[in-house]
Amino acid sequence: EVQLVESGGGLVQPGGSLRLSCAASGFTFSSYDMHWVRQATGKGLEWVSSINTGGDPYYPGSVKGRFTLSRENAKNSLYLQMNSLRAGDTAVYYCARAGGSSGWYAFDIWGQGTMVTVSS
Amino acid sequence: EIVLTQSPGTLSLSPGERATLSCRASQSVSSSYLTWYQQKPGQAPRLLIYGASSRATGIPDRFSASGAGRDFTLTISRLEPEDFAVYYCQQYGRSLWTFGQGTKVEIK
Repeated sequence: EVQLVESGGGLVQPGGSLRLSCAASGFTFSSYDMHWVRQATGKGLEWVSSINTGGDPYYPGSVKGRFTLSRENAKNSLYLQMNSLRAGDTAVYYCARAGGSSGWYAFDIWGQGTMVTVSS
Repeated sequence: EIVLTQSPGTLSLSPGERATLSCRASQSVSSSYLTWYQQKPGQAPRLLIYGASSRATGIPDRFSASGAGRDFTLTISRLEPEDFAVYYCQQYGRSLWTFGQGTKVEIK
């Protein structure tokens, strides 16, 4: 079964750090671009970061310089290092895959999400 | 950054009715890069449509989509009870992805 499982969420103080992980199974992880998307409670979806098969990461301005995305293909894993966290980073963080039969620009597989709460 | 504006914010319809959802981009978007998702409460988003008009695997044919340039549309021909959800459009451009704010399709 094709699956993504996120972990690492939790409660962190403003200015703190957290590392999210996404474990992939059921497909050849190294052949797919991977993404993080977040959703604050009751709000819409916000793209957080992407990494292509070559290991090149991309970020929106809202997290650039604070978040670092990496992948470890040998472990079928994706990592999001989040530093200098702010209250506005509070959200459910989803890991997602692109590059399947739906192409490189659509996220066809999503994890169940992990909650990150930034609060004192 | 390309901004996607979805309308209406909420669509109140009855099962069996037709739903038409709009997604307008602040700049022209390649059709290849326009995607639609469905999200139900407490669940992750689900891919519906990619490349502006292609249904993803397992998506019933009551879902259709079209559009080009700045204007894109998702249509649900006859609403089933399981279709009441929030729908998001998404675009890719210049190594950035953006989502619309979503349209909630609720039971009237």
